[in-house]
Amino acid sequence: DIQMTQSPSFLSASVGDRVTINCKASQNINRYLNWYQQKLGEAPKLLIYNANSLQTGIPSRFSGSGSGTDFTLTISSLQPEDVATYFCLQHNSWYTFGAGTKLELK
Amino acid sequence: QVTLKESGPGMLQPSKTLSLTCSFSGFSLSTSGMVVSWIRQPSGKSLEWLAAIDWDGDKYYNPSLKSRLTVSKDTSNTQVFLKITSVDIADTATYYCARSTTEGIVEVFDYWGQGVMVTVSS
Repeated sequence: DIQMTQSPSFLSASVGDRVTINCKASQNINRYLNWYQQKLGEAPKLLIYNANSLQTGIPSRFSGSGSGTDFTLTISSLQPEDVATYFCLQHNSWYTFGAGTKLELK
Repeated sequence: QVTLKESGPGMLQPSKTLSLTCSFSGFSLSTSGMVVSWIRQPSGKSLEWLAAIDWDGDKYYNPSLKSRLTVSKDTSNTQVFLKITSVDIADTATYYCARSTTEGIVEVFDYWGQGVMVTVSS
């Protein structure tokens, strides 16, 4: 089984800050990595697919990078509406989600 | 417009069988490359993929739960079902269905339903 280690678990940042969230896979997953945003009481929303492709309709302040085992989600300038929990998902071999990063405003 | 919506019993007793329905529109599960999955999330925790069924009727299961899961679809290709046998408290969660496309631009879990909360309690 592929394990996904996501960090940090909790993040507090100010409006306008650059925010980065990381996921590390237990083995090579190429670029089969997605990022999702989940707001309180809502279903997850796809932000980034295949490591660095921005889903249609997602603001360009969101970006993804990485390949192999190490991946990063970056929010270039944090907005109030970005308060949410963020999950990574590997889909190289079956599907495994990271534990999540809860992002709050400072 | 792609939409998915889950439905289920809300609450059931331990040892019973949980039956869930995912009703969707905006795509057909008869279209090559379409897949519908079931994913669950205990309150305050992360997500766990459970099962999937594709346009060809092929079924895929999380190996750790495979013996308890059955996924199926209806003949009109607008509904997908999931049964989980012998439920216990650990199966208490919000259950989501989600679409994936495996041809052209491959997108995994690009659309999700709103989720249905299931509580297992005696």
